[in-house]
Amino acid sequence: EDLLLESGGGLVQPGGSLRLSCAASGFILSNYAIYWVRQAPGKGLEWVSGISNGGNRAYYADSVKGRFTISRDNSMDTVYLQLNSLRAEDTALYYCTRRIMPGPTFDSWGLGTLVTVSS
Amino acid sequence: QAALTQPASVSGSPGQSITISCTGTSSDVGAYNYVSWYQQPPGKAPKLLIHDVTYRPSGVSDRFSASKSGNTASLTISGLQAEDEADYYCSSYTTSDTFLFGTGTKVTVL
Repeated sequence: EDLLLESGGGLVQPGGSLRLSCAASGFILSNYAIYWVRQAPGKGLEWVSGISNGGNRAYYADSVKGRFTISRDNSMDTVYLQLNSLRAEDTALYYCTRRIMPGPTFDSWGLGTLVTVSS
Repeated sequence: QAALTQPASVSGSPGQSITISCTGTSSDVGAYNYVSWYQQPPGKAPKLLIHDVTYRPSGVSDRFSASKSGNTASLTISGLQAEDEADYYCSSYTTSDTFLFGTGTKVTVL
């Protein structure tokens, strides 16, 4: 079974940083682009960031551009999302998901990791 | 990057059919045949229902079907069942090489 498992969430003060990890099992991570999608409490889904299968292309939503950085280590079957300059509005459950090209086809999702930004 | 517009809620009785709309623009829904639909039961992760406008992944019930006309995509659930109660989201690729999700629709089975 193809699985994704997020970790690294937690409580952080405004302006702080966190690094989220997304570990893959059951499939070859390097064959897929991986994306992060977040969901604020009681709200809808919001695409945040994505990285190509080889790691040479990264994509960001305007709301996080310049503050978040996505990267991957295919040898470790892991994708990372570095969250800097966090704001209260970044509070959300962060999902990592596997994209099947070329459209917005996200066929496998983790359970999410919760990021709470509060003083 | 405004979200795609969906009705906040749709309801129906068991056995009925319901349709959820997803309205975008010529820069997203209308630009490509790259619209997906997701089902999210309460407290769970989203699940892919439809991709590339009309295609169902294996394992997804054929009670779910979808279409697109211009800048609006639609998801139809036929033979509504209690287990269909969930939030439903559309998603589209955009001409800016990004993605948009819909505002989400809560489906209630009466």
